[in-house]
Amino acid sequence: GAGVSQSPSNKVTEKGKDVELRCDPISGHTALYWYRQSLGQGLEFLIYFQGNSAPDKSGLPSDRFSAERTGGSVSTLTIQRTQQEDSAVYLCASSLMGQGLGNTIYFGEGSWLTVV
Amino acid sequence: GIQVEQSPPDLILQEGANSTLRCNFSDSVNNLQWFHQNPWGQLINLFYIPSGTKQNGRLSATTVATERYSLLYISSSQTTDSGVYFCAARPGSRLTFGEGTQLTVNP
Repeated sequence: GAGVSQSPSNKVTEKGKDVELRCDPISGHTALYWYRQSLGQGLEFLIYFQGNSAPDKSGLPSDRFSAERTGGSVSTLTIQRTQQEDSAVYLCASSLMGQGLGNTIYFGEGSWLTVV
Repeated sequence: GIQVEQSPPDLILQEGANSTLRCNFSDSVNNLQWFHQNPWGQLINLFYIPSGTKQNGRLSATTVATERYSLLYISSSQTTDSGVYFCAARPGSRLTFGEGTQLTVNP
C-alpha cells in the first residue's frame, strides 16, 4: 500500500481481555517495528522484525505482550490480560531494510488502546 | 544502548519567529530522523539526515556526525508548526527516540 496501515485505529477494552493490533507495512519493506507511546510521553521501542531473522523482542515490557509477522509482511501485536497501564498509542513502522544508510522509517497512524 | 537527548523540552514562539531545536546522541549512527507529531498523534517524517544539511521550505536540518548532534531550524514559524518534534537515531536496527520538544506557536 501507499503507507503503513494499522487497525483498529481505536480500541476500548475491558481490563483482563486480550487484544490484537494489526500492522500492514509498506509493500516491499523488509523491516517492521512496533513502538508504544503513552499520553504525553516519548516513543518506547517494543519489537523489531527484519526479514526472516529472529525478531528483536528486547523492548516487550512483559510476557503478556507478543508479536508475530506472517509471511514477512503483516504483523500482529497481541496483548493478553490487558491492564490499565497498557493504555497507549501503539505505533507500527516499516523501512526498506533494517540497517544501513538510506533506510527512512515510516510510521502508521497508530492504534489507540484504552483499557477500562 | 544509544542515548538521545533533545533540547529545549518546551518552546513557545510568536508567529514569524525563528527557532533551533537540538538533538545530541551518544553513539555513531547510520540513521537519524526528525519527526513532527501533529495534534492527532501522527508522526510525520521531516528529514532523514545521518549527516550533512538538508532544507525543505521553511525547515532545514544539519547533522554533525563527528560531534554527535543534529539541529532542526524552523524559520518564520506558523501556528501549524505547533506540536512535538522528535529526533530519533540508531547505530544498528533499533530507532531510539528522544523525549521531544513541545513547540507552541502563538498567533
